Amino acid sequence: RKEVEQDPGPFNVPEGATVAFNCTYSNSASQSFFWYRQDCRKEPKLLMSVYSSGNEDGRFTAQLNRASQYISLLIRDSKLSDSATYLCVVPRNTGFQKLVFGTGTRLLVSP
Amino acid sequence: DTGVSQDPRHKITKRGQNVTFRCDPISEHNRLYWYRQTLGQGPEFLTYFQNEAQLEKSRLLSDRFSAERPKGSFSTLEIQRTEQGDSAMYLCASSLRERVGMNTEAFFGQGTRLTVV
Repeated sequence: RKEVEQDPGPFNVPEGATVAFNCTYSNSASQSFFWYRQDCRKEPKLLMSVYSSGNEDGRFTAQLNRASQYISLLIRDSKLSDSATYLCVVPRNTGFQKLVFGTGTRLLVSP
Repeated sequence: DTGVSQDPRHKITKRGQNVTFRCDPISEHNRLYWYRQTLGQGPEFLTYFQNEAQLEKSRLLSDRFSAERPKGSFSTLEIQRTEQGDSAMYLCASSLRERVGMNTEAFFGQGTRLTVV
């Protein structure tokens, strides 16, 4: 089993739709998690941190289910500008914080 | 601009040549990471520095790869005798040492895109 698994997509949704991505992780010791956004041929940029059960920031909601070892990202009222790849990141605390990335989920929002 | 900067942004080299990339982290960040990313994949960990000490190297980092961070400031990643399989985006990131019980986010540079022909 991969350490961090994501559905690569692509998820094709119309503007205004609600879309959710899931990410599963295998390291039960991980304490906090991140969602990064990556535009085509650009660097990853932090979207949200998830330290407890969840986090909300405007149209974006991240939830954490420790028992089932998955993290979700919900995007409401999708905009064209939300089209990007969303990377799930799980720190592995092996004496230092090593960030383990999923392969990313690609989102395409169409008019 | 006080973010992570990488140089060069693009590098095309012939197979067998050596290349060196530079990363300047955010000034107060003591942790520095190198990642490699190929098309359709997430970033893969290569190596990590805390200050000037290189604390971990991935098995992905063959003997042809070497990284340094003299004086705990900027870092260089050198690839010797490049191969076509080395073609990728090389990303540098930096972060602060985590607070107890929390992980701190890493900030990425714009990357160096290497093409080996």
